Amino acid sequence: DAGVTQSPTHLIKTRGQQVTLRCSPKSGHDTVSWYQQALGQGPQFIFQYYEEEERQRGNFPDRFSGHQFPNYSSELNVNALLLGDSALYLCASSFGYSSYNEQFFGPGTRLTVL
Amino acid sequence: AQTVTQSQPEMSVQEAETVTLSCTYDTSESNYYLFWYKQPPSRQMILVIRQEAYKQQNATENRFSVNFQKAAKSFSLKISDSQLGDTAMYFCAFLLEDDKIIFGKGTRLHILP
Repeated sequence: DAGVTQSPTHLIKTRGQQVTLRCSPKSGHDTVSWYQQALGQGPQFIFQYYEEEERQRGNFPDRFSGHQFPNYSSELNVNALLLGDSALYLCASSFGYSSYNEQFFGPGTRLTVL
Repeated sequence: AQTVTQSQPEMSVQEAETVTLSCTYDTSESNYYLFWYKQPPSRQMILVIRQEAYKQQNATENRFSVNFQKAAKSFSLKISDSQLGDTAMYFCAFLLEDDKIIFGKGTRLHILP
């Protein structure tokens, strides 16, 4: 079992560009959540996908969007990048639509915006 | 607003000692879950222990145990017989039913040989 995988590991972009991050959930999981972890901070919830729909969303602007595919993998898209978007982006997967189900985290994608 | 506060930004203890990490939270709800996550330098967030708010008995997982004081909204983590592999960032978190997980800012724990 490969667990939750994310790609790429690191990414460098410039302000105003767009970025796409990818996540493959743990085998058997159908729910994917995305978090932003700024340096020295705890993760902040961005949104959660279940059955290819966004089910919950945190306090993030519309520049942050996502998608879930039929195979349960997911993408996080960020448009018009700002310096403040520099962070570690974590993906977590779980089974079923319930926050009480344990979420398994991936190793994250480190995004640097210059 | 739902908040989680970890008052110890950084701690260091000698190997084999016992260490306690503090966490307080704020919510007006009565039913929720509390978690401690570990994030080693590899960045992978790992669930250490979970506590259901409706259970009075404190959760235990091998060397890890919690002291859950619901009235005080306190949820501390005790690590017994600490090991070098316990060196990591530790995050306290909680969630309400059908809601998002809210994390604290973390405590950086160093286990010294």
